Amino acid sequence: GAGVSQTPSNKVTEKGKYVELRCDPISGHTALYWYRQSLGQGPEFLIYFQGTGAADDSGLPNDRFFAVRPEGSVSTLKIQRTERGDSAVYLCASSFAGGSYEQFFGPGTRLTVL
Amino acid sequence: AQKVTQAQTEISVVEKEDVTLDCVYETRDTTYYLFWYKQPPSGELVFLIRRNSFDEQNEISGRYSWNFQKSTSSFNFTITASQVVDSAVYFCALRVNTGGFKTIFGAGTRLFVKA
Repeated sequence: GAGVSQTPSNKVTEKGKYVELRCDPISGHTALYWYRQSLGQGPEFLIYFQGTGAADDSGLPNDRFFAVRPEGSVSTLKIQRTERGDSAVYLCASSFAGGSYEQFFGPGTRLTVL
Repeated sequence: AQKVTQAQTEISVVEKEDVTLDCVYETRDTTYYLFWYKQPPSGELVFLIRRNSFDEQNEISGRYSWNFQKSTSSFNFTITASQVVDSAVYFCALRVNTGGFKTIFGAGTRLFVKA
């Protein structure tokens, strides 16, 4: 079956611009996670959705970051007024449910802010 | 607060050698889950194992084995008879059920296996 997919695979933008990153989870997975991974670091948690609602958004670094999952499937991570420090690989993962279920990761979107 | 420490930044071994990747975690919760993930050069994280805090039995899966010791807060990963295809970055992660649903990842250990 299809795994987690993310689009675009690469995004280059200019400082101050708005970007949207998309995640298609595995069909039937109710839990969805966004992470950010900087070079040489482990993934850093951003937000967790259970169904349509954000159950934990404590990892979002500031109010320029926002994510939605309106129908409980596809999710979009939105970044306003991008800064050079936002450059990283943004990873999406889904799992059958929350809790202890293993997360299946997508290939990531590499965001470069010039 | 929760924390995962992978003290080994990089390890280099020759094919067929055994190698152990260390992971030390910190949490005050009594219920938690530990994970290992592999990130090959292609970039996609691959799940390897999950262990809950109430199950200290060690596990073996082929050439992979895991040693969970609550007394030392460690969850170490051993690859026996390493192969070139094992070259990747390996991450240890911790998830607790209180205070949110974060999964905390360590900084990773980059393993080079030379032919």
